[in-house]
Amino acid sequence: DAMVIQNPRYQVTQFGKPVTLSCSQTLNHNVMYWYQQKSSQAPKLLFHYYDKDFNNEADTPDNFQSRRPNTSFCFLDIRSPGLGDAAMYLCATSTEGQETQYFGPGTRLLVL
Amino acid sequence: AQSVAQPEDQVNVAEGNPLTVKCTYSVSGNPYLFWYVQYPNRGLQFLLKYITGDNLVKGSYGFEAEFNKSQTSFHLKKPSALVSDSALYFCAVREPTSGGSYIPTFGRGTSLIVHP
Repeated sequence: DAMVIQNPRYQVTQFGKPVTLSCSQTLNHNVMYWYQQKSSQAPKLLFHYYDKDFNNEADTPDNFQSRRPNTSFCFLDIRSPGLGDAAMYLCATSTEGQETQYFGPGTRLLVL
Repeated sequence: AQSVAQPEDQVNVAEGNPLTVKCTYSVSGNPYLFWYVQYPNRGLQFLLKYITGDNLVKGSYGFEAEFNKSQTSFHLKKPSALVSDSALYFCAVREPTSGGSYIPTFGRGTSLIVHP
């Protein structure tokens, strides 16, 4: 089945230790998104790619970076995680002409 | 600018009773409207959407929603609630665009609790 996959599902890191979260999709969608979600709140968009074009939200901290080496994969790098970065990170995809977003299961990040 | 409001943090309903989860929106032009459901420790899952056409939209798991342009609302409904419907529900709105941004705005979410 076509889907959005996120690895790992749970990630524990230490304060200040870089961490990378990954997302892959078999839907061949050209738009990919990274969201941060805390404590059953609304997902907060960090950035998105429209094909290879990177779009950063104005309030996304510089500590967060992203890479999209090809259509199928997208990575979220947190350069120096702080305690406040502990959250669920959601990857989603969509495609031009199709309005629905397809979400992965999320990666729950814990910062010690 | 687009915005969406979910006025209730939590909705409680008994199993077998009808449920309504409220959503109102604000956009320029005709809205694209969505409902997503999130179960604990999972990603969001698409339920249904309104783009154009019939104001009553039917979706997954017996859910439906009615687009009301005059009241700028898109309430989620189900005739008979199940305990397994207990989850967090998000309404989202997007302005129609030709090319460019496809970014929806999400509501803050409503926790639905269905009691046995």
